[in-house]
Amino acid sequence: GDSVTQMEGPVTLSEEAFLTINCTYTATGYPSLFWYVQYPGEGLQLLLKATKADDKGSNKGFEATYRKETTSFHLEKGSVQVSDSAVYFCALSRWGNNRLAFGKGNQVVVIP
Amino acid sequence: DADVTQTPRNRITKTGKRIMLECSQTKGHDRMYWYRQDPGLGLRLIYYSFDVKDINKGEISDGYSVSRQAQAKFSLSLESAIPNQTALYFCATSDLPDSSTPYNEQFFGPGTRLTVL
Repeated sequence: GDSVTQMEGPVTLSEEAFLTINCTYTATGYPSLFWYVQYPGEGLQLLLKATKADDKGSNKGFEATYRKETTSFHLEKGSVQVSDSAVYFCALSRWGNNRLAFGKGNQVVVIP
Repeated sequence: DADVTQTPRNRITKTGKRIMLECSQTKGHDRMYWYRQDPGLGLRLIYYSFDVKDINKGEISDGYSVSRQAQAKFSLSLESAIPNQTALYFCATSDLPDSSTPYNEQFFGPGTRLTVL
């Protein structure tokens, strides 16, 4: 079945550091890929998306490129801020399949 | 006003009690979902509904039931709550994918934190 794997463990980094969160997926066909973010005390909100191979999703300084050859959709940001502290979820959706499959999420803590 | 609302936001209850969590949306979406979030496990789908007459089980439906009272309302019930149902519960909605928007973007409510003692 469809599945999403995120790197283990929380991520702690200093302000202005470079952030990478790894995400790989298993799915048949050509899924759409998403990153959702959950700020403290809030629900999930869509951060960015990519719907076909080689697409790059971007928003708020975050980027992720849909790599079909490596089945990956890694999230990156060049210079994080304290306000980026949140939990980040990678997810996929297949056309004709009505569900989102989520990874387990990564807690990101940015310290001043 | 928020597009997807959940009530209550927090609830503490005792083992064996019946609990209902409610979700309302103003987005006009046909599809609605209930998830639970547990630390280290991500989000797991409990039930989903494509319209008022359509209800489907998700990954972890045992111990839960749902009711789709109207397009805008989708309730989750715990018939007899147990401590391992302590979790954060989210409602979400989505529109129907089509050829121009083939992906299933979901919009989430703020969550209900449920504690079963």
